[in-house]
Amino acid sequence: SYELTQPPSVSVSPGQTASITCSGDKLGHKYASWFQQRPGQSPVLVIYQDNKRPSGIPERFSGSNSGNTATLTISGTQAMDEADYYCQAWDRSTVVFGGGTKLTVL
Amino acid sequence: QVQLVQSGAEVKKPGASVKVSCTASGYTFIKYYIHWMRQAPGQGLEWMGIINPSGGNTTYAQKFQGRVTMTRDTSTSTVYMELSSLKSDDTAVYSCARGGTVPAGGWIDPWGQGTLVTVSS
Repeated sequence: SYELTQPPSVSVSPGQTASITCSGDKLGHKYASWFQQRPGQSPVLVIYQDNKRPSGIPERFSGSNSGNTATLTISGTQAMDEADYYCQAWDRSTVVFGGGTKLTVL
Repeated sequence: QVQLVQSGAEVKKPGASVKVSCTASGYTFIKYYIHWMRQAPGQGLEWMGIINPSGGNTTYAQKFQGRVTMTRDTSTSTVYMELSSLKSDDTAVYSCARGGTVPAGGWIDPWGQGTLVTVSS
């Protein structure tokens, strides 16, 4: 079955740029989405179709996808961005999630 | 605005079944697929399957085949997820979310508030 691999944790200083990767076989041939999940809350879509932001998502969130890796980039990271982040892609007719990355802003 | 509201928390004994509801509002119910996911305590997101509210056809993750049933009631804009033969490791928050207008592809947004299902003897 198809797998997406994320680093368990990423740390960033406030105001700096955070990058979270998601790896999968030929992932660049698929669309990748990214979800933010704060503690005790439901996931929120922050990037879809590799690099599109839903309405209401700040411009500091951006995405890219090429080769075997999709990347979520958060520019000018704020304390409120501290959360778990999950990548997601479709494999044929099923949905696959990455294992999640805990972003710590310190 | 698009909203998905789920039923309340459940406590079930091992071997029992649970049925969680998800009521949609703010859009044309039959136009968009609905996904079901779950998240065990401290764990990641796990996709369970998808239902087409228009025709009722479903696709289930292989892991849950034979144990999960997704149905819908178009008169109330509600979809249901029933999971049978519950075990302790089925303890999780179960969430519905709106998908796209085609069976595969499309993005998943928004999510319901989640329903905690606890399986304990």
